[in-house]
Amino acid sequence: AQSVTQPDIHITVSEGASLELRCNYSYGATPYLFWYVQSPGQGLQLLLKYFSGDTLVQGIKGFEAEFKRSQSSFNLRKPSVHWSDAAEYFCAVDVYGNKLVFGAGTILRVKS
Amino acid sequence: DTAVSQTPKYLVTQMGNDKSIKCEQNLGHDTMYWYKQDSKKFLKIMFSYNNKELIINETVPNRFSPKSPDKAHLNLHINSLELGDSAVYFCASSHPPGTNNEQFFGPGTRLTVL
Repeated sequence: AQSVTQPDIHITVSEGASLELRCNYSYGATPYLFWYVQSPGQGLQLLLKYFSGDTLVQGIKGFEAEFKRSQSSFNLRKPSVHWSDAAEYFCAVDVYGNKLVFGAGTILRVKS
Repeated sequence: DTAVSQTPKYLVTQMGNDKSIKCEQNLGHDTMYWYKQDSKKFLKIMFSYNNKELIINETVPNRFSPKSPDKAHLNLHINSLELGDSAVYFCASSHPPGTNNEQFFGPGTRLTVL
């Protein structure tokens, strides 16, 4: 069955430091991959997506992610974290083009 | 302009009651979804409708009945509410399956069953 693993439940980084959130997926076909962010009490906002082509994708708020087929990974990165980035981040794979399977989420804390 | 809206934002009710959550999207999408986010923040799809027809039903109890009166609306009716139904329910919409089907999410409805 399709699955998405986010190995880190919590991550704490200092403001201005770089960030990498890990995501691994299990899916037989070519995946469509997404990263969403959820601030406390809010809905989900799409940060970036990968459908095909260049494996390094740029998103909003200075985030990027790299698709690595050989590692079944789609890790999210940001070179310099801001306090406003504190939120929960969800990786997701689009299964058969009609539903999203989400990882369990990674809570990002930013310390000043 | 609200793309995907849900009402109500909060819903507190007693066990055994019947309640509905409404969802509307103004993005012109054909496909709409309901997701449930449990207390551990785990998100799981419940239903998907394409052009008013049910295409995904993820073994959700039949106390949950989605209804799509038109392409822009997908409502969720829940009968005989149970404590375990307490969660945040998210509506989403997208272009049809097989297209560029990025999903846009509503703000969520927090349901608390007492």
